[in-house]
Amino acid sequence: DAKTTQPTSMDCAEGRAANLPCNHSTISGNEYVYWYRQIHSQGPQYIIHGLKNNETNEMASLIITEDRKSSTLILPHATLRDTAVYYCIAENYNAGNMLTFGGGTRLMVKP
Amino acid sequence: DGGITQSPKYLFRKEGQNVTLSCEQNLNHDAMYWYRQDPGQGLRLIYYSQIVNDFQKGDIAEGYSVSREKKESFPLTVTSAQKNPTAFYLCASSLLARTKANYGYTFGSGTRLTVV
Repeated sequence: DAKTTQPTSMDCAEGRAANLPCNHSTISGNEYVYWYRQIHSQGPQYIIHGLKNNETNEMASLIITEDRKSSTLILPHATLRDTAVYYCIAENYNAGNMLTFGGGTRLMVKP
Repeated sequence: DGGITQSPKYLFRKEGQNVTLSCEQNLNHDAMYWYRQDPGQGLRLIYYSQIVNDFQKGDIAEGYSVSREKKESFPLTVTSAQKNPTAFYLCASSLLARTKANYGYTFGSGTRLTVV
């Protein structure tokens, strides 16, 4: 399984970009990187995923390094409602696309 | 609207009683999963099922049981053998086909179980 490493917590000022890093140095060439977030007492919500190329959607951008050993989730203009735990997950392709959730990064967006 | 429904949202039970948590999806997803989350912690996999009438133990299956008689339904029973059942339980579902459009897991809103 590809294991991911994230900082335990981060702060970000409201209106600024939030850049959340993730290391996945053992990721295999065919494993996707997924990002989810969990707002308190709710189920995790899908944000974005990618394989090699950078991705962007209405919620965020995902930057994956060329060697695929790390990635960064970017929330371009963080709001108070973006305060949540953010999970970076490397899919386990050999286990039927299993996603294993670690501890994540607790992002606090401050006014 | 397609989605995944967990019920009830809050559940209270006396110690020693079995309790069953419901999870239903109408997304036509192949696989379904149960996770447990303790306060301030990440998600831990209890059981998963990739096909009807088949399921596999996750990392913390002891004290739990599941069934998958229908594609849409994956109920979880917390038995009296589970030593610390009080937790937040999350159900998820996914397709198994790997395509760029596969958004991984869809989660329910969770059931908070309290055993007194």
